[in-house]
Amino acid sequence: GAGVSQSPSNKVTEKGKDVELRCDPISGHTALYWYRQSLGQGLEFLIYFQGNSAPDKSGLPSDRFSAERTGGSVSTLTIQRTQQEDSAVYLCASSFHGNEQFFGPGTRLTVL
Amino acid sequence: TQLLEQSPQFLSIQEGENLTVYCNSSSVFSSLQWYRQEPGEGPVLLVTVVTGGEVKKLKRLTFQFGDARKDSSLHITAAQPGDTGLYLCAGSFSGSNYQLIWGAGTKLIIKP
Repeated sequence: GAGVSQSPSNKVTEKGKDVELRCDPISGHTALYWYRQSLGQGLEFLIYFQGNSAPDKSGLPSDRFSAERTGGSVSTLTIQRTQQEDSAVYLCASSFHGNEQFFGPGTRLTVL
Repeated sequence: TQLLEQSPQFLSIQEGENLTVYCNSSSVFSSLQWYRQEPGEGPVLLVTVVTGGEVKKLKRLTFQFGDARKDSSLHITAAQPGDTGLYLCAGSFSGSNYQLIWGAGTKLIIKP
C-alpha cells in the first residue's frame, strides 16, 4: 500500500481480555515504531524495531505489553489482561532513513 | 526529565487572523520537528529544523528554531479553516536518531 495501515481502526474490549493490534508499514521501510496517544496528550514511545537488530522496548509500560515484527515487515502489538488505563489511540509509524516517520491512522482502544 | 512544553494548549480564532504557537524546553535538541494531526489520522510531518536560528517557510506557515536550539515557534499568517488540527512538536537529541520527545500539542480551530 501507499501508506502505513493499521487494524482494527477501533477496538472495544472488556477489562482482563487480551488484544492484538496490527501494523503494516510502508514497503521497504526498515524501521517501525509503536506509540500510544491518550486524549489531550502527546505521543508516548512504546517500542522501536530496526531491521534485524534487537528492538528497543524501553517504552513498554508493563510486562503486559509485547510486540513482534515478523519478516521485517508486519508488526503486532499485544496487550494482555487489558486495564482501563490502557484505553488510548495506538499509533504505528515507519521510516527508511533518519527520523522522518510516516504514521498510520491509529487503532482506538477502549477497555470497558 | 526531558520535556517539551507547548503553548497554548488550545486556540480558537477566526479565519484570516494570524497566530503563533510555541514549543519550549530546558534541553538542547539536535533537531526539532513540527507535525499536524487531524482527527482519526496519524501525525503528518510539516518541517524539520536543525540549525539554531533557522527559519523555514511552508506557504503561510513560518517555523523558527531558537538560537540555543531549546525552543521553536510556528506562526500562521491569515489562518484558513483547513489549518484546523492538532499541532505537535517533537525533538531529538544527538546520539538518538529515532527517539523523539513529544510535546502535548496545540489544538487549533479556525472558524470560517
